[in-house]
Amino acid sequence: DAGVTQSPTHLIKTRGQQVTLRCSPKSGHDTVSWYQQALGQGPQFIFQYYEEEERQRGNFPDRFSGHQFPNYSSELNVNALLLGDSALYLCASSFRGDGYTFGSGTRLTVV
Amino acid sequence: GQNIDQPTEMTATEGAIVQINCTYQTSGFNGLFWYQQHAGEAPTFLSYNVLDGLEEKGRFSSFLSRSKGYSYLLLKELQMKDSASYLCAVRPEDSNYQLIWGAGTKLIIKP
Repeated sequence: DAGVTQSPTHLIKTRGQQVTLRCSPKSGHDTVSWYQQALGQGPQFIFQYYEEEERQRGNFPDRFSGHQFPNYSSELNVNALLLGDSALYLCASSFRGDGYTFGSGTRLTVV
Repeated sequence: GQNIDQPTEMTATEGAIVQINCTYQTSGFNGLFWYQQHAGEAPTFLSYNVLDGLEEKGRFSSFLSRSKGYSYLLLKELQMKDSASYLCAVRPEDSNYQLIWGAGTKLIIKP
């Protein structure tokens, strides 16, 4: 039973570029949440997707956008990258928003 | 506002017991989670409390007092592999879809 799968594991981008991160939820899960975790900090909620719709959004600018596909997988897109976007991006899946399972994350470095 | 406080770092000895405290101030309360996170890895679920009292799960126990906005995680018979960050997260009542996270407590186990 595969858990939550995220790709890529590591990524280096230049300021101003755009990036797409991918997440496949745990089997049986239908909800995907995205979090940003800066070094030494707790995760910060970006948004959650359910039934292909953004159900709730945290305090992140419009440069951060997402999508959920019919198979429940999800993408996180970040435009116009800033140095401050460097962080570990975590995807967490759940069934109907209950019981979160995290992926191993994507380490994004913006230079 | 939403605020969760945990000590930044704690040190304990192998075989001993350690208690990690978490205090929270959130807009309502709909459950408190404890996660373990090894450096560079995803958080893994340890415990969930929604009612007052103690939840025991092997070497780990978690306590909640909703009236005091307080929880603790108790780790017994410490092992070197318990060296990690321990994150406290609250699900606010007004937002059933996201978790509000503390910055985490880095636990260092010494032989």
